[in-house]
Amino acid sequence: AQSVAQPEDQVNVAEGNPLTVKCTYSVSGNPYLFWYVQYPNRGLQFLLKYITGDNLVKGSYGFEAEFNKSQTSFHLKKPSALVSDSALYFCAVRDMRDYKLSFGAGTTVTVRA
Amino acid sequence: SAVISQKPSRDICQRGTSLTIQCQVDSQVTMMFWYRQQPGQSLTLIATANQGSEATYESGFVIDKFPISRPNLTFSTLTVSNMSPEDSSIYLCSVEESTGGYYNEQFFGPGTRLTVL
Repeated sequence: AQSVAQPEDQVNVAEGNPLTVKCTYSVSGNPYLFWYVQYPNRGLQFLLKYITGDNLVKGSYGFEAEFNKSQTSFHLKKPSALVSDSALYFCAVRDMRDYKLSFGAGTTVTVRA
Repeated sequence: SAVISQKPSRDICQRGTSLTIQCQVDSQVTMMFWYRQQPGQSLTLIATANQGSEATYESGFVIDKFPISRPNLTFSTLTVSNMSPEDSSIYLCSVEESTGGYYNEQFFGPGTRLTVL
């Protein structure tokens, strides 16, 4: 079975400060990892993915994520947060042998001006 | 990436009635998925809809309650039958574009916000 944990329900940061959203995963095989963002009353938007290769993955809107196999983590980062980054962020994982995505519970990010 | 639209965007329905949600994609895709997002919660996969075959339902979801159609490679419907207030959720469809690998990301529609009174 595969699963994702997002240990923080909420993350609050000041605009201009670094933003980190944590994610740990569990899969039986090699993981494919994804981050999505959901703005109020909107569907999910794809941010980035890790399949293989460099552990640091760059995605949309200045976001990046670091894959750490030994810690089974895939934390989302942004060097300088914007108020417009305030949204609900979901980490997701799939086993390479399966098409099903498993989502974490989500982390609400609030960036204050 | 595929552009996905859903109809209706929201609806308020009476207990015991049914609602059919449509999902339209601007390109042909093999795999389409239906998810439910209950208030304040994460996404839960309801079923996978592949063209030409019956939908595959996840544990806790049954065809009688959530019948799905997939008549072609660009369209699918999900019906929420005999609704109760517990069915109040956002229903999202997603697609995975086929490029031969198992590592494609899924793209999501805007969702249908359903409220059952």
